[in-house]
Amino acid sequence: DAKTTQPPSMDCAEGRAANLPCNHSTISGNEYVYWYRQIHSQGPQYIIHGLKNNETNEMASLIITEDRKSSTLILPHATLRDTAVYYCIVRARNNDMRFGAGTRLTVKP
Amino acid sequence: DTGVSQDPRHKITKRGQNVTFRCDPISEHNRLYWYRQTLGQGPEFLTYFQNEAQLEKSRLLSNRFSAERPKGSFSTLEIQRTEQGDSAMYLCASSSDFSTDTQYFGPGTRLTVL
Repeated sequence: DAKTTQPPSMDCAEGRAANLPCNHSTISGNEYVYWYRQIHSQGPQYIIHGLKNNETNEMASLIITEDRKSSTLILPHATLRDTAVYYCIVRARNNDMRFGAGTRLTVKP
Repeated sequence: DTGVSQDPRHKITKRGQNVTFRCDPISEHNRLYWYRQTLGQGPEFLTYFQNEAQLEKSRLLSNRFSAERPKGSFSTLEIQRTEQGDSAMYLCASSSDFSTDTQYFGPGTRLTVL
């Protein structure tokens, strides 16, 4: 599986959009981009995933560049409850998840 | 869909004791995964099952660890002769290879070895 690079930490003001970047320059054609988050002492929570096209669900939007070497997770209106560690993972279907250190997002009032 | 459940949520044991954790996957998910997470790190893959077959094991899974999924439903993870280095959060996830194979995680079992 391809390796990902994420900033270790980010801050965001409550009510503003949080844009979390992820670099995955060695991604293969069959690998999806997955995003999970983990709130302290809980199991990771699935957010969204995509292959080539941008994706949106009730939690977030995922923007994948045309060359697929990077992506951005967007939380449109961050709340204090969005404070968590966010993991970007690239993974081929049927493979296990390889987590990095993630980005610690702190939403501030 | 009640989600992935794990039991117990917390376990404190003395070094040298055996412990067993249980994971109940989302109903009809045929794949089940075990991960371990230590403080400040992301989860690390341990092993996974497709139905009752254990298809992959990480090198992290020492011979003191054994996992089973006897009927292709719930799974158990046993650690024999626990060591202080086994203290961690043990996470279970499940997925269905009939859909997107997205893994959904349980709340985890936090193990403390004294």
